[in-house]
Amino acid sequence: NAGVMQNPRHLVRRRGQEARLRCSPMKGHSHVYWYRQLPEEGLKFMVYLQKENIIDESGMPKERFSAEFPKEGPSILRIQQVVRGDSAAYFCASSPASGGNQPQHFGDGTRLSIL
Amino acid sequence: GENVEQHPSTLSVQEGDSAVIKCTYSDSASNYFPWYKQELGKRPQLIIDIRSNVGEKKDQRIAVTLNKTAKHFSLHITETQPEDSAVYFCAAPESFNKFYFGSGTKLNVKP
Repeated sequence: NAGVMQNPRHLVRRRGQEARLRCSPMKGHSHVYWYRQLPEEGLKFMVYLQKENIIDESGMPKERFSAEFPKEGPSILRIQQVVRGDSAAYFCASSPASGGNQPQHFGDGTRLSIL
Repeated sequence: GENVEQHPSTLSVQEGDSAVIKCTYSDSASNYFPWYKQELGKRPQLIIDIRSNVGEKKDQRIAVTLNKTAKHFSLHITETQPEDSAVYFCAAPESFNKFYFGSGTKLNVKP
């Protein structure tokens, strides 16, 4: 049973470009969560999605950031017009059901570097 | 919203000793508490979790205890080994759809 798959593992962008990060949840999981981690810090919740629905985006900046989880294909976190402060590791997690009492399993993350 | 605090931020122990990491949370409705281990440059890995209907759970050298009245839970690692060296994160849920993570504890096990 494949785990949570994220790609790319590393992404380099210049200021002003767009970054697209992809996440395929574990088989049988329909709930996806995106977290951001700065060096030497903890994980910060960004957004929670189910298929074709954004359930909670309270942790995501209102400008330049967007997320989707289409009926077919992976979940995508999109950052437009990237700035140096967007440099971080972005982790995706999935769970089989919603609820705070379900374990979330993480992917290997995408390390985003902004030049 | 949920507020999770984790202590200590760094912990250095001698191989074979025990290590204890403590977290407190604020939302009395929280009922599930996972612990994750993250090695440098790798994904957070779920190592143990506990639900609010029990006070303790053990898995080999790792145990977690929960005190719902005091709103704190702790990770206990016994007979530590160098491969236990990593950053450990606790988490607590809010509104059943997202986790708030502690700031992490960097554990160093000296051989």
